[in-house]
Amino acid sequence: GESVGLHLPTLSVQEGDNSIINCAYSNSASDYFIWYKQESGKGPQFIIDIRSNMDKRQGQRVTVLLNKTVKHLSLQIAATQPGDSAVYFCAEIGADTGNQFYFGTGTSLTVIP
Amino acid sequence: DAGVTQSPTHLIKTRGQQVTLRCSPISGHKSVSWYQQVLGQGPQFIFQYYEKEERGRGNFPDRFSARQFPNYSSELNVNALLLGDSALYLCASSRGGPSREKLFFGSGTQLSVL
Repeated sequence: GESVGLHLPTLSVQEGDNSIINCAYSNSASDYFIWYKQESGKGPQFIIDIRSNMDKRQGQRVTVLLNKTVKHLSLQIAATQPGDSAVYFCAEIGADTGNQFYFGTGTSLTVIP
Repeated sequence: DAGVTQSPTHLIKTRGQQVTLRCSPISGHKSVSWYQQVLGQGPQFIFQYYEKEERGRGNFPDRFSARQFPNYSSELNVNALLLGDSALYLCASSRGGPSREKLFFGSGTQLSVL
């Protein structure tokens, strides 16, 4: 199966600081990546996506960086807020994976007020 | 606009029983995917349906089956439940079609098998 892993299972940051969540993937054929946020008792919520023809994409307070050379994805959250506390998953899909996304195991982000 | 809705929210079954989970996609979305999420792990793909046809199947036993209806809603059935089937079952919808695109998830059905 595919290997989508996260470098750190937990991350604690001070409110107002920037957060960086990392994700490594192993399938060089993956061409579409998504970051999801999952709060307790809820389903994953879309944050931002990026296709393999891009290196960087920015949203509101979030930036995703894609390094295809080392197969690495990161999510940067600016001015982290208590409401950002959740588990964050990266997901990948490629032409050789059919219609299924492969999810990492997740990183739990805790924002300290 | 309503998001992806799933029912029931919680379910308790015993080993050997059968269960049916239901999902209504976002209006206008024609594709529905089912994922299983075990506590502490990321979601794992079970099925994808588009235009009422199965378009993908994950590494799950034949005890798992699904279907999609003309209104694009979907049901996931699990027969002969095992303790290991206890998980959060997530339904996700997307517009569908040939291009890969983001999934919108419902809040899931929490299944406990005793």
